[in-house]
Amino acid sequence: SQTIHQWPATLVQPVGSPLSLECTVEGTSNPNLYWYRQAAGRGLQLLFYSVGIGQISSEVPQNLSASRPQDRQFILSSKKLLLSDSGFYLCAWSADSFTSTDTQYFGPGTRLTVL
Amino acid sequence: AQKITQTQPGMFVQEKEAVTLDCTYDTSDPSYGLFWYKQPSSGEMIFLIYQGSYDQQNATEGRYSLNFQKARKSANLVISASQLGDSAMYFCAMRERNNFNKFYFGSGTKLNVKP
Repeated sequence: SQTIHQWPATLVQPVGSPLSLECTVEGTSNPNLYWYRQAAGRGLQLLFYSVGIGQISSEVPQNLSASRPQDRQFILSSKKLLLSDSGFYLCAWSADSFTSTDTQYFGPGTRLTVL
Repeated sequence: AQKITQTQPGMFVQEKEAVTLDCTYDTSDPSYGLFWYKQPSSGEMIFLIYQGSYDQQNATEGRYSLNFQKARKSANLVISASQLGDSAMYFCAMRERNNFNKFYFGSGTKLNVKP
């Protein structure tokens, strides 16, 4: 069965510090991978998605970047965090196809607080 | 235009009663999928139910059913016999065949089940 891992679970960082969040998927190959951010009590904002190694689509211009160095690894980074980067970050994967019931599966999330 | 609209920011329901969470969608793609997710306070996103645009019958999964009205472009989630553990955020989402790499999410509905 497929499993998605995300770490760390919580993170408190000072403004201006770098960020690296990692997401890995097991049990599937060539997945689509996604990074979302969620402000408290709000909906999901799609940040990046990737359909293959080295292929990144950015949805929102900001000081974040994403990379996919391996098929099942997706990394979210920042060189200098802003207060507005605080939030709940969710990684997700979906199959690279459109077939019945192909949903997205989400990781446990990372709660980031920038002080 | 918004792809997914959830007009109920918050809802209350008495334990053991049924509740309907509204979702309308906007697409010109004849082939699409509709999804509902539950997000408890822990933050994990749990897939609940799926409805395909060509499905003739409304989807059901245990106490969850989807009231799919294609002509009205609505996909309401019905939870029967509410339980205290149903208190959570609920998100409606859509995926289109012609752009199947992206999932569009609504802003969510916060459901509170009262004992």
